[in-house]
Parts: sequence; structure tokens; C-alpha cells
Amino acid sequence: QSVLTQPPSVSAAPGQKVTISCSGSSSNIGNNYVSWYQQLPGTAPKLLIYDNNKRPSGIPDRFSGSKSGTSATLGITGLQTGDEADYYCGTWDSSLSSYWVFGGGTKLTVL
Amino acid sequence: QITLKESGPTLVKPTQTLTLTCTFSGFSLSTSGVGVGWIRQPPGKALEWLALIYWNDDKRYSPSLKSRLTITKDTSKNQVVLTMTNMDPVDTATYYCAHLYWLGLNPVFDYWGQGTLVTVSS
Repeated sequence: QSVLTQPPSVSAAPGQKVTISCSGSSSNIGNNYVSWYQQLPGTAPKLLIYDNNKRPSGIPDRFSGSKSGTSATLGITGLQTGDEADYYCGTWDSSLSSYWVFGGGTKLTVL
Repeated sequence: QITLKESGPTLVKPTQTLTLTCTFSGFSLSTSGVGVGWIRQPPGKALEWLALIYWNDDKRYSPSLKSRLTITKDTSKNQVVLTMTNMDPVDTATYYCAHLYWLGLNPVFDYWGQGTLVTVSS
């Protein structure tokens, strides 16, 4: 059971928009910045979003992030078949000592 | 450019100790703010963070696995080693190491190794 809760799956048609939620608590999302990772089939995760809403160099602006209270959201617009992947949120948790936590992951299907 | 690569046994027996090495290039683990972490992923399941070590030798462990994990670094060899004791079949997973850095206001895992699959079976 992951500390951060994500929907197991989402789907949308090519060209459409999709959002993926990540719910936590005051000890993690509520007091820390959220990052998002994309894991294409058979590959290592890749950083998509950091500091809630910033994109590393090379990540297209179709990907966006936001945070409100103890929840965060990843948005993807103009969906492409190449976006089919698992998406994970992550952040620090300060409940015991500072340690990292991931969400349970969301499988995006582009229909 | 930054690269990381995991190495170690592909098969371990139950109760044995697993030792994994992360060999990296493109950065130094003596640079302020830098860290290296270990993350694993059982087949078909989610990512699980295990441990990380900072440039100043500060170490952090997953609370649920802390008693079984040890992370160390060898700055001169550009390596980070993770040991996990008392391996069990449920520890079968792909193990990743990743570069941790302050891109902004919080450190994040911005570069990942390709991962190495470790199977625990007698």
C-alpha cells in the first residue's frame, strides 16, 4: 500500500486531455514539493515534473503539474500514443525522518 | 552527461544478503547537494524507494526496510553500494539507482540507471 494514492488507470483518446491525481497528507504533499515520473514499457522512470509544476529541459509543455493542499495533479494535453506509460508521483515525507515516497502508479492508455 | 549503471547478482537464495553496486559518471558524489538513491520495482508493481546517500554521507532509509538495508559510497570509485539482508522471494524486483539533485526547491531523482532484475529463489 503506497503512501501516496493514485488511480490505477486512466484513458483517453489521441488529442484529448487527461489528468492524473495524487493524494497524500500533511506530512508529505502538504508540506513538500511533488515530482512526476513517466515510465514507458520496459524502461526506467523519467523525470517529467518537479517542484509541483516545473518541467526539466526537453519535456514538452503538453505536460503540466499542479498542487493544492495535500493533493497534486499531472495534466497531459494533446495525447499521443507514445504517452502510453505508467506515471508516478513522488515527494518527501517528514513523518518520522525525511524519506522519499512514491505513489502507486497510474497506467495511461491512449485509446 | 550523467549515467548510472546497476550491477550485482541476478539470482540470490532466500536468507542470503544481496549486494548491489551503482557505478556512475558525469557527476561527483563529493559535490554539495548531490545524492544517489536506490528504488526497486517488483514485476508489474509500483516503484518503492529504498535508500539514499548524500554527498556529506547523510543516509536515509525506507522506514519499513531500514533494519535490512545499508548504503555506502566510494567517492574515489564513483560507486554507491546497497546491501539488503535476509532476502525473500517478495524482494524479487528490478533495482534502480538514481541521481538525486536540487533542480529547484526540493531534491529529485533526475537521472536513472537502466535497472537490474534480481530474482530471489532457491
